[in-house]
Amino acid sequence: AQRVTQPEKLLSVFKGAPVELKCNYSYSGSPELFWYVQYSRQRLQLLLRHISRESIKGFTADLNKGETSFHLKKPFAQEEDSAMYYCALSGGSNTGKLIFGQGTTLQVKP
Amino acid sequence: DTAVSQTPKYLVTQMGNDKSIKCEQNLGHDTMYWYKQDSKKFLKIMFSYNNKELIINETVPNRFSPKSPDKAHLNLHINSLELGDSAVYFCASSTPGVNTEAFFGQGTRLTVV
Repeated sequence: AQRVTQPEKLLSVFKGAPVELKCNYSYSGSPELFWYVQYSRQRLQLLLRHISRESIKGFTADLNKGETSFHLKKPFAQEEDSAMYYCALSGGSNTGKLIFGQGTTLQVKP
Repeated sequence: DTAVSQTPKYLVTQMGNDKSIKCEQNLGHDTMYWYKQDSKKFLKIMFSYNNKELIINETVPNRFSPKSPDKAHLNLHINSLELGDSAVYFCASSTPGVNTEAFFGQGTRLTVV
């Protein structure tokens, strides 16, 4: 079964501290994974995708097929990073369907 | 010039009523979606349309009926609203392919009283 798990509902850190938002997935084929972010009163938007291997706003995420993980990391958290973060798996079959994790609220304290 | 727009943003209605949420995208995407975000913030797909054709229907009650008059519009009609339908409904669009990005509307917060 296709599934995405984000074990932490809330992650609270101080400004300048490292951040790691955990994501594990279950998928039989070759996964396509994303991180989406929802800032307060804004729409859900793509933060990054695994295939791009890019760093966006200081965030990176590496796909680890052995551990079936796609954790989101940032070395130094900023207050403006406070938001809801969703890990998502593309449902395959070229449908564009996204399977989301439960979401993790990141709270960065001053 | 909003990419994906939904109306209304907020909807408060009584049990048993019928209501519609409208969605439009100007990105030229082939596929549109409805997602439901429940009170625990869990996001789950409900429907997907590709060029006006239903391609995903994720075990949603028959009271929910999507309608796509053209590929730029996907509306959601809900009959006989129940308390459990209270949620935030998000419309999205994309052109499916490898690692394609989905663009989301701002959401419609539906409250059934």
